[in-house]
Amino acid sequence: QSVLTQPPSVSGTPGQRVTIPCSGGSSNIGGYSVYWYQQLPGTAPKLLIYSENQRPSGVPDRFSGSKSGTSASLAIGGLRSEDEADYYCAAWDDSLSGWVFGGGTKLTVL
Amino acid sequence: QVQLQESGPGLVKPSQTLSLTCTVSGASITSGGYYWSWIRQHPGRGLEWIGYIYYSGTTYYNPSLNSRVTIALDTSKTQFTLRLNSVTAADTAMYYCARGTLALLGREPYYFDNWGQGTLVTVSS
Repeated sequence: QSVLTQPPSVSGTPGQRVTIPCSGGSSNIGGYSVYWYQQLPGTAPKLLIYSENQRPSGVPDRFSGSKSGTSASLAIGGLRSEDEADYYCAAWDDSLSGWVFGGGTKLTVL
Repeated sequence: QVQLQESGPGLVKPSQTLSLTCTVSGASITSGGYYWSWIRQHPGRGLEWIGYIYYSGTTYYNPSLNSRVTIALDTSKTQFTLRLNSVTAADTAMYYCARGTLALLGREPYYFDNWGQGTLVTVSS
């Protein structure tokens, strides 16, 4: 059971905009920035969004992050087939003094 | 460009010790500002943070694993290691090493900006 809650799967068609929600609590998302990682099949997680809404160099601006209270979301616009991957949210947790992750959301591009 | 590479046995017997090494290139593990970390992913499941070691040698572990985990630096080889004692089948997972970089925009101390490719460890007799 992951500390942060994500839906197991979402889907969309090419060109569409999809969002992936991530729910937590006051000890994690409520007090700290949210991070998003993309894991393509058979590869390591890759940093996609940091400090809630910042993109590392090389990440397209189709990807954006937002947060409100103890929930966050990742939005992917102009969906492309290469976006098919697992997406994880993460946040620092006061109770753990460490990192907690969501269970991951599998994005399928139909 | 920093690169991390995990290595170690892919099969460990129950009750024995899991030992993994992460070799770092393109960055100094003795420089301040980085938290050298281990994270694991159970088959078909989410990610679990194991712990970190700072360049000074300070360590911090996930309380759920604290009594069984040791992370150490080998500065002469630009490597850091993970040891997990008394393993069971529940420790079967993909193990990743990662670099934690100072978080300048948030209250958290760091975040993971670079990951190794991961190494699968199976605990079985």
